[in-house]
Amino acid sequence: GDSVTQMEGPVTLSEEAFLTINCTYTATGYPSLFWYVQYPGEGLQLLLKATKADDKGSNKGFEATYRKETTSFHLEKGSVQVSDSAVYFCALNQGAQKLVFGQGTRLTINP
Amino acid sequence: DTGVSQDPRHKITKRGQNVTFRCDPISEHNRLYWYRQTLGQGPEFLTYFQNEAQLEKSRLLSDRFSAERPKGSFSTLEIQRTEQGDSAMYLCASSWGQSSGNTIYFGEGSWLTVV
Repeated sequence: GDSVTQMEGPVTLSEEAFLTINCTYTATGYPSLFWYVQYPGEGLQLLLKATKADDKGSNKGFEATYRKETTSFHLEKGSVQVSDSAVYFCALNQGAQKLVFGQGTRLTINP
Repeated sequence: DTGVSQDPRHKITKRGQNVTFRCDPISEHNRLYWYRQTLGQGPEFLTYFQNEAQLEKSRLLSDRFSAERPKGSFSTLEIQRTEQGDSAMYLCASSWGQSSGNTIYFGEGSWLTVV
């Protein structure tokens, strides 16, 4: 079945560092890909998405490019802030039925 | 737009008791989803509705679990004879349309602790 594998955490960085969180997927077709973020005590919020190969999703300084050839959707940010501390989930949706999530990566940014 | 709202936010119950969670989706959304999330894991799909029809149920949804969406608006998730393994956060989500690229919006979740 469809699955998502994320870089294991936790990840700890200093403020203004460059961030990459790796995400790869397995799917039989051409899914849409998503990054969700979960701040402490809150629900999941959509961070960005891409619906076809080579699309780049971006929001709040975060970016991810849908790479069909490597079945990847890595999340990047050039300069992280303390407020970016959260758990990040990569997910796919194929057939418009449901999201399949990775296990999540906890990110902590130190001042 | 008000977002997806869930009630109660926290529930502590004794093993063997029944619990019910309510979800109010974003008003114009025709799809409603239930997920379960345990500590340190990503959300796992339980079931989803299109309008009032329940179209898919995960194997995670044992016969002690039942979900309804009687008029295609709010939904309830009932767990009968709760077990300690049911302790988790139950997330409700909603979306509009049938494209896999449509955004699915999540509520803040209902935490269940079975003691």
